[in-house]
Amino acid sequence: DQQVKQNSPSLSVQEGRISILNCDYTNSMFDYFLWYKKYPAEGPTFLISISSIKDKNEDGRFTVFLNKSAKHLSLHIVPSQPGDSAVYFCAASAAGNKLTFGGGTRVLVKP
Amino acid sequence: GAGVSQSPRYKVAKRGQDVALRCDPISGHVSLFWYQQALGQGPEFLTYFQNEAQLDKSGLPSDRFFAERPEGSVSTLKIQRTQQEDSAVYLCASSSRISGNTIYFGEGSWLTVV
Repeated sequence: DQQVKQNSPSLSVQEGRISILNCDYTNSMFDYFLWYKKYPAEGPTFLISISSIKDKNEDGRFTVFLNKSAKHLSLHIVPSQPGDSAVYFCAASAAGNKLTFGGGTRVLVKP
Repeated sequence: GAGVSQSPRYKVAKRGQDVALRCDPISGHVSLFWYQQALGQGPEFLTYFQNEAQLDKSGLPSDRFFAERPEGSVSTLKIQRTQQEDSAVYLCASSSRISGNTIYFGEGSWLTVV
């Protein structure tokens, strides 16, 4: 039973345009959500997070939106840059416990 | 060190061999996590330590997997009698908060069982 799902395995976007990555979850106890970015042969790098008491968090080019009623979160990258090409994982936790990850979305930003 | 350090980075083991993977967390981080990532998938939780106490080992796939953190800093993940399905990247992560909301990963130990 996958509690966190990323239904799009890959995404291709032109440099300068917006990248939108989606993530759905089923566990209503999740109260903290994170996005990680992973380059080949490296560990996941923390990108941005959001608490369930908020519906939006912004950090530079990265914005995370949370829709609790839909159990859906998204990551917006504006503008996309070639260095953003990586695999992005969403993750969720309940009461500060272990993180549950989605399967990842591979993003390719074309120059 | 500045980040989570894992060793070895790459390990090739013959089926049936025992392996030990080491994790040196960020200094002062009380929480330590082990995750397993198979090719093309997201990381899967294995086990969690708060200081030296192993508080959750629900993700360990079998009794061949064992983790310890005897002094509350460095941790070792041991896999006995390795099998081909154990081939994966083993990621260690640590956090400065007991609640472990944001965790920081090492580069991983890539295990291939042949």
